[in-house]
Amino acid sequence: EDKVVQSPLSLVVHEGDTVTLNCSYEVTNFRSLLWYKQEKKAPTFLFMLTSSGIEKKSGRLSSILDKKELFSILNITATQTGDSAVYLCAVKGGTSYGKLTFGQGTILTVHP
Amino acid sequence: GAGVSQSPSNKVTEKGKDVELRCDPISGHTALYWYRQSLGQGLEFLIYFQGNSAPDKSGLPSDRFSAERTGGSVSTLTIQRTQQEDSAVYLCASSLAQGTRSNNEQFFGPGTRLTVL
Repeated sequence: EDKVVQSPLSLVVHEGDTVTLNCSYEVTNFRSLLWYKQEKKAPTFLFMLTSSGIEKKSGRLSSILDKKELFSILNITATQTGDSAVYLCAVKGGTSYGKLTFGQGTILTVHP
Repeated sequence: GAGVSQSPSNKVTEKGKDVELRCDPISGHTALYWYRQSLGQGLEFLIYFQGNSAPDKSGLPSDRFSAERTGGSVSTLTIQRTQQEDSAVYLCASSLAQGTRSNNEQFFGPGTRLTVL
């Protein structure tokens, strides 16, 4: 059974801090790993990673995948209160081309 | 409105009643997915439609749950004889086609919050 575990489950920081969110996975026939940000309702897409060691970057957010050790990290530098959200990690694999298996999420709270 | 839309945004029903949840995917997206998110939990896959192929129903929790996608666009998730444990947010997503050579991200709608009393 595919499995995704995120850590920490929750994190409280102050504006300007840098945070690292972790995602480890077990999946047969790995295809991709995705990060989403969920504020109130719809998760919004951040990154999709398919290759090891290639950093994806968007502004203050970056992410990298290690397919040998089966994990990914999401970094947020110079955090802002608007970064407060649940960050979801998901993997695609197995026999389904579409199904995503999600972790339980990391709740990030950024205080002013 | 270029995003995925869902209706209703909230639904309160009594135990034992049937409910229908609707999803309008992004225009041109051939793949459509349903997930549910219970309080404090991650998203749980329910079902996946890809074009005219048979849907992947492997995530449906019981035979009370069914979904259809008419004309390759709008989808309806039906829950019959609702139970209190069905209370959750039901999220729909859509994407371009998936396959051995394509790996497209899923875009989510705002969800329908279902409360079964």
